[in-house]
Amino acid sequence: GPKVLQIPSHQIIDMGQMVTLNCDPVSNHLYFYWYKQILGQQMEFLVNFYNGKVMEKSKLFKDQFSVERPDGSYFTLKIQPTALEDSAVYFCASSLGVSNERLFFGHGTKLSVL
Amino acid sequence: SQLAEENPWALSVHEGESVTVNCSYKTSITALQWYRQKSGEGPAQLILIRSNEREKRNGRLRATLDTSSQSSSLSITATRCEDTAVYFCATVRGSALGRLHFGAGTQLIVIP
Repeated sequence: GPKVLQIPSHQIIDMGQMVTLNCDPVSNHLYFYWYKQILGQQMEFLVNFYNGKVMEKSKLFKDQFSVERPDGSYFTLKIQPTALEDSAVYFCASSLGVSNERLFFGHGTKLSVL
Repeated sequence: SQLAEENPWALSVHEGESVTVNCSYKTSITALQWYRQKSGEGPAQLILIRSNEREKRNGRLRATLDTSSQSSSLSITATRCEDTAVYFCATVRGSALGRLHFGAGTQLIVIP
């Protein structure tokens, strides 16, 4: 079936550094999402993105977070600067439409902030 | 606050047995989705059931939805070892733009 690819699978950085998480969504999908999952907890919505713009973001999407998809390339999540509490697995997802649509998730990028 | 919650937290069954995972939620919804997440992977949608539906099937899977009690169940018949995973319910509110509210999940282990 359709696949969402996330690169890298694991990233280790020092607190205060910048990190960019990359996502290659399903090719004909129009809506893109980031979710955050801390070990042992539920997955939580961060942001959704459509037509070059953030449509909705949660309280977890701090000012240090930004997303973009320049020229239809990777959909990225940038954190600058990182904090210890940003350590989690970040899942990218995409969908063809919105509202009750099926989301296709990647395998996640595990971010470890030291 | 957690808008969706699965129970039990974990359970195990022997291969071939049937199993049911339950979900309770706290708000009005337009749909509820069941996802499965295997170790090292992202969640994969199993069933989407809309608020005006009471039951949905997908092969060995059957989901029910009771909007009056704000609960849902996912049943798996003839379980297989590859069904071992964490099962999540996720609610959808309004147009929501893909904003799913996940529970913490039920860990299912299928014993060969």
